[in-house]
Amino acid sequence: QQQVKQSPQSLIVQKGGISIINCAYENTAFDYFPWYQQFPGKGPALLIAIRPDVSEKKEGRFTISFNKSAKQFSLHIMDSQPGDSATYFCAASMTGGFKTIFGAGTRLFVKA
Amino acid sequence: DVKVTQSSRYLVKRTGEKVFLECVQDMDHENMFWYRQDPGLGLRLIYFSYDVKMKEKGDIPEGYSVSREKKERFSLILESASTNQTSMYLCASSSQPGQGATEAFFGQGTRLTVV
Repeated sequence: QQQVKQSPQSLIVQKGGISIINCAYENTAFDYFPWYQQFPGKGPALLIAIRPDVSEKKEGRFTISFNKSAKQFSLHIMDSQPGDSATYFCAASMTGGFKTIFGAGTRLFVKA
Repeated sequence: DVKVTQSSRYLVKRTGEKVFLECVQDMDHENMFWYRQDPGLGLRLIYFSYDVKMKEKGDIPEGYSVSREKKERFSLILESASTNQTSMYLCASSSQPGQGATEAFFGQGTRLTVV
């Protein structure tokens, strides 16, 4: 019930294309769903996050789509750029809790 | 600029050695965490602390211990290093959840190799 399942494990996208990464969770008590971006040699950093009272959140080229009934959420990167090449982690946590549960990660490579 | 600083970027230790990984944060955060990152397994929580001298086991605490004597510092200890503890170790901190779960800030990681 504590798992967050992330797919795909790796993704190759042409420059200018759309990158899509999917995550699914089981615990309906989760109420905070962040995405972290990690470049080689660096720690993860928060990219964008959503709470379940909205179905979509957009920040620049990055959009989270959230489907509460299906217990799924996804990250869309529009107009993908080589500088977006990184590992992306979805995650979930809950109000009053201390732990963040992370997905296994997706390695994105954007071809120039 | 907020910072979580890990004392070493790279470490090579011998099997059986006692290993200390240090982490310091300058954001006055209550919560601190130690994760290990392995390919295909994501970030797995080893231990966390929600207050000075308080600690809780995460998902994979075996072979590890922690110490939090001051609010800003959280140490991970490998009592007797083994080759299966070769990994990337990440420290993170966050404020109290309060009104909702909050962002975690990560250090740059320590790549530990046990030979």
